Amino acid sequence: DAGVIQSPRHEVTEMGQEVTLRCKPISGHNSLFWYRQTMMRGLELLIYFNNNVPIDDSGMPEDRFSAKMPNASFSTLKIQPSEPRDSAVYFCASISGGWTEAFFGQGTRLTVV
Amino acid sequence: AQSVTQLGSHVSVSEGALVLLRCNYSSSVPPYLFWYVQYPNQGLQLLLKYTTGATLVKGINGFEAEFKKSETSFHLTKPSAHMSDAAEYFCAVSDEGNTGKLIFGQGTTLQVKP
Repeated sequence: DAGVIQSPRHEVTEMGQEVTLRCKPISGHNSLFWYRQTMMRGLELLIYFNNNVPIDDSGMPEDRFSAKMPNASFSTLKIQPSEPRDSAVYFCASISGGWTEAFFGQGTRLTVV
Repeated sequence: AQSVTQLGSHVSVSEGALVLLRCNYSSSVPPYLFWYVQYPNQGLQLLLKYTTGATLVKGINGFEAEFKKSETSFHLTKPSAHMSDAAEYFCAVSDEGNTGKLIFGQGTTLQVKP
C-alpha cells in the first residue's frame, strides 16, 4: 500500500478563496483523522470519521471549515472562505481500529496570503 | 482530560551522545502512549508505542521508551545519537474514549552536532 496520500502537498491561495484538501486513507482502515499543525498550537485534531461517519468535529475552528468522507477511500477538508490565520500544515491520518498505529500522510502546507 | 507535556522544546546533543527526550502525561484511564518522529517537510512516523505489558518499549532506529506509571512519564532514549536522528519528536497519549484520537505534546526538536 502507498500509505496515506494527501493532495496537494502545497497550496498557496488568496484570502477569501475556497480551499479543498484531499486525503486517501490506507485501504482497509476504518477511521480517518484530520489534524492541523501550527507553531503556536502544535498538532491539534480537527475532526475524525469512523466508517465514513463524522464522529467528533469539536476541533473544527469555525463554520468556515467543513469535512466530508463520501466513501471509505476519500475525504476532503474544505475552508471557505480562507483567511491568513488558516495557514498551517494539515495532516490526514488513518487507523485500522483498536490500538493500532496511526499512519500519517505527508501533509498539505497551506499558505493563505 | 488528557494532556501531554514535553520538557524542552529544543534539545542539542553531540553525535554519539545519549539522547533523552522527556514526556509526561495526564490521563484518568490507563494510557496508550506513543512517540512519533517528524523529519523536515514530512509526515509523522511512529517510533514506538506502549499499550499494555512490558513497560520498556523498543522502537525503530534504536530508540526505546519506558512507561513509568508512578511518575506519569514516558521518556524517549537512545544510547548513541546519529546525525540522521535530527528531527522533531512528538509524544502523544490516546484519548480516554479509545477512539484512536491522539493528544500530542508540543514537540521537541532534536539537534545533533558533529
